[in-house]
Amino acid sequence: GESVGLHLPTLSVQEGDNSIINCAYSNSASDYFIWYKQESGKGPQFIIDIRSNMDKRQGQRVTVLLNKTVKHLSLQIAATQPGDSAVYFCAEKSGGYQKVTFGTGTKLQVIP
Amino acid sequence: GAGVSQTPSNKVTEKGKYVELRCDPISGHTALYWYRQSLGQGPEFLIYFQGTGAADDSGLPNDRFFAVRPEGSVSTLKIQRTERGDSAVYLCASSTHSGNEQFFGPGTRLTVL
Repeated sequence: GESVGLHLPTLSVQEGDNSIINCAYSNSASDYFIWYKQESGKGPQFIIDIRSNMDKRQGQRVTVLLNKTVKHLSLQIAATQPGDSAVYFCAEKSGGYQKVTFGTGTKLQVIP
Repeated sequence: GAGVSQTPSNKVTEKGKYVELRCDPISGHTALYWYRQSLGQGPEFLIYFQGTGAADDSGLPNDRFFAVRPEGSVSTLKIQRTERGDSAVYLCASSTHSGNEQFFGPGTRLTVL
């Protein structure tokens, strides 16, 4: 079937290595950021979030870093596994609004 | 429990026809969202419901698109006079009233010939 990741930037990593996926956002008023994982044929799945009053948040094998000065967000995945292969999107919200704005995705390919 | 479900999973229609896409949110979730995702792009916000009312419909591209949620649960996205450019995956998500985590359904792939 069609790939969600068609024409997206691609990051290829060896299984077991760490992955870093980057995202630039444009709205300086955004105060809440989310990373989503989307596998082919499925809807996006929440991974981790961070509020603008933080610069780092850790989950299970994942860490999100936020640099508000340069409006940059990154997702770090430790010990990348084949099941991590998917398209990853950063997303943002602002001012208490529920509308989520998604950024351009990155396709992560894990090489066994 | 059951997640967000969407029907149909695929819909093929002809230019100019009318289509309805259905979303069943997670039970108890008061907030419901519709997004559209074109190939190779991130989801694009269309409309957000809180209960029965549309709290934000700023993403609807034009008046051919309309969505309802009459009983505050199931929602239907309606597209009139479909155009080839409407072809995309239409995603639905739900969340608790003020929840930040949105739970997405698998989407409906709409193809307009």
